[in-house]
Amino acid sequence: AQKVTQAQTEISVVEKEDVTLDCVYETRDTTYYLFWYKQPPSGELVFLIRRNSFDEQNEISGRYSWNFQKSTSSFNFTITASQVVDSAVYFCALIITTNNAGNMLTFGGGTRLMVKP
Amino acid sequence: NAGVTQTPKFQVLKTGQSMTLQCAQDMNHNSMYWYRQDPGMGLRLIYYSASEGTTDKGEVPNGYNVSRLNKREFSLRLESAAPSQTSVYFCASRPLTAGGSRDTQYFGPGTRLTVL
Repeated sequence: AQKVTQAQTEISVVEKEDVTLDCVYETRDTTYYLFWYKQPPSGELVFLIRRNSFDEQNEISGRYSWNFQKSTSSFNFTITASQVVDSAVYFCALIITTNNAGNMLTFGGGTRLMVKP
Repeated sequence: NAGVTQTPKFQVLKTGQSMTLQCAQDMNHNSMYWYRQDPGMGLRLIYYSASEGTTDKGEVPNGYNVSRLNKREFSLRLESAAPSQTSVYFCASRPLTAGGSRDTQYFGPGTRLTVL
């Protein structure tokens, strides 16, 4: 069985601060994907990034960056120079990669980020 | 291209009432999913449909039924609603292509359900 842990339930920062959201996962499978989703106050789930288990390169997209480390089973998400619009709940998720469409996307409990002006 | 749509957005039921949550996607995806989101617990899979004509149970199927009406539509039915089913319900879909998006699920806006 898979498990995703987001130990930080709430983080509060002031605008322009950098913030890192932690994600630790557990799986016995060697082939899997990791995801981050954003849930703004409006409630929809917005896909941010997907990373497969064979690709440990860090990724940067604008103010967002992701640090994937298999050695520590972590997939952390950093927002640089945070903005009020970044305020949301962020979910880390994992799915094992087989041809079974019923692969369960296992979610962490989410981290609520509040960015104050 | 609307992506994944869900109706209704909000619903209040009394214990014992029934209702159907509707989901449709226009991305020609093969697989569709129903999740529920409870506070502090992330999302949990209720049912899924790998392809048109097939459905299977997920992690928390009790109290629910589903129908994959066609490739576009996947509905979730509560036959006799209970307060424990108060939650936010998300529908998702996933392509089955050989490309890198194979395992990305795209979510609808959610239905907020309250059972009194």
